[in-house]
Amino acid sequence: EAGVAQSPRYKIIEKRQSVAFWCNPISGHATLYWYQQILGQGPKLLIQFQNNGVVDDSQLPKDRFSAERLKGVDSTLKIQPAKLEDSAVYLCASSLGRRTVKNTEAFFGQGTRLTVV
Amino acid sequence: DAKTTQPNSMESNEEEPVHLPCNHSTISGTDYIHWYRQLPSQGPEYVIHGLTSNVNNRMASLAIAEDRKSSTLILHRATLRDAAVYYCILIQRGYSTLTFGKGTMLLVSP
Repeated sequence: EAGVAQSPRYKIIEKRQSVAFWCNPISGHATLYWYQQILGQGPKLLIQFQNNGVVDDSQLPKDRFSAERLKGVDSTLKIQPAKLEDSAVYLCASSLGRRTVKNTEAFFGQGTRLTVV
Repeated sequence: DAKTTQPNSMESNEEEPVHLPCNHSTISGTDYIHWYRQLPSQGPEYVIHGLTSNVNNRMASLAIAEDRKSSTLILHRATLRDAAVYYCILIQRGYSTLTFGKGTMLLVSP
């Protein structure tokens, strides 16, 4: 079974530039998550989709971050403009998402390491 | 979300058992206890979950206190590959949001 695919693996940009990350979840997974993980901290949920609808985006800095999940499959996360404090690993995860405990198991991609200089 | 408390770090020797504690004194009756771990430079991975009864799988065992206010993840024989950050997470039945804390960094020595 193919895992969660993310690209790019690494990205270096200057502050005030824009950047986009792409995620392809496991086939058939309805729930997709984007997390931000700053060095030394646990992952912080930015946004959670159920199919192509947003379940939770309460911690997404909406003045600069946006995310979409067209057709309920792939997703992109964009930052525009980037700030120095956005330097982090951005993790995508997916789960079956149906309302049973077993199906909440989340599978994570390897992440995109963003450095803003 | 109900909060969990874990030690910042723990150390173990290879091939010895490891008991990783988690306190969740405000847990509700519908909260499941999940454990994930994150190996260096990897995304988190699922380890185990439970509600009331102790659980075993190929990776670990989960021991849940009778009052459910604490739980312990047990690695029966630690290997160098088990060195990771371990996260204890509560997920309410019917929901799927994973809220990570700081976790416990497990160091395993040869």
